[in-house]
Amino acid sequence: QQQVKQSPQSLIVQKGGISIINCAYENTAFDYFPWYQQFPGKGPALLIAIRPDVSEKKEGRFTISFNKSAKQFSLHIMDSQPGDSATYFCAASSNTGTASKLTFGTGTRLQVTL
Amino acid sequence: DTGVSQNPRHKITKRGQNVTFRCDPISEHNRLYWYRQTLGQGPEFLTYFQNEAQLEKSRLLSDRFSAERPKGSFSTLEIQRTEQGDSAMYLCASSLVQGSEQFFGPGTRLTVL
Repeated sequence: QQQVKQSPQSLIVQKGGISIINCAYENTAFDYFPWYQQFPGKGPALLIAIRPDVSEKKEGRFTISFNKSAKQFSLHIMDSQPGDSATYFCAASSNTGTASKLTFGTGTRLQVTL
Repeated sequence: DTGVSQNPRHKITKRGQNVTFRCDPISEHNRLYWYRQTLGQGPEFLTYFQNEAQLEKSRLLSDRFSAERPKGSFSTLEIQRTEQGDSAMYLCASSLVQGSEQFFGPGTRLTVL
């Protein structure tokens, strides 16, 4: 059972445009939602994260929007740059237990063209 | 460099051989996680440690897999009698405490021939 669904699978955006990636989750116990960026051959790098007590968080060009009632969250990349071309993963975890293990989406391959 | 480090970065082995990977977490991080990532997929949780105690193992972790963190610092992941289906990127992550950000290492790419 896929607990975090991510879309689209791939995305092509022109330089300067807005990239939007969406995720939906099923487990209502999830209370931490990070986004990771991964370049080929590298490990995932934490970009930005949100907890459900806020509906939006912005860090530089990256914004997370969170809709608790719909169990959805999204990543917006403003003024997308060619250097942003990478695979992006949403993830979720629950801290009500002890593990805090991350459940990842299937990833979105972003290509930013000139 | 104070990030998570993993060795080796690449490992090619023949089916049936044993392999061992090492992870050095960020200093003072109490939690250490192992994940596996296959091509085109997101990482999947394998197991985690709180200091030296292994507290949870995924059902993905068959009995051919064993992980240790003997002194609560570095960790090793051993795969015995490797199979072609074990080919994947093995990622290590660490975090300071429960619920805090997890930082990933560069991974070990395993290819089983």
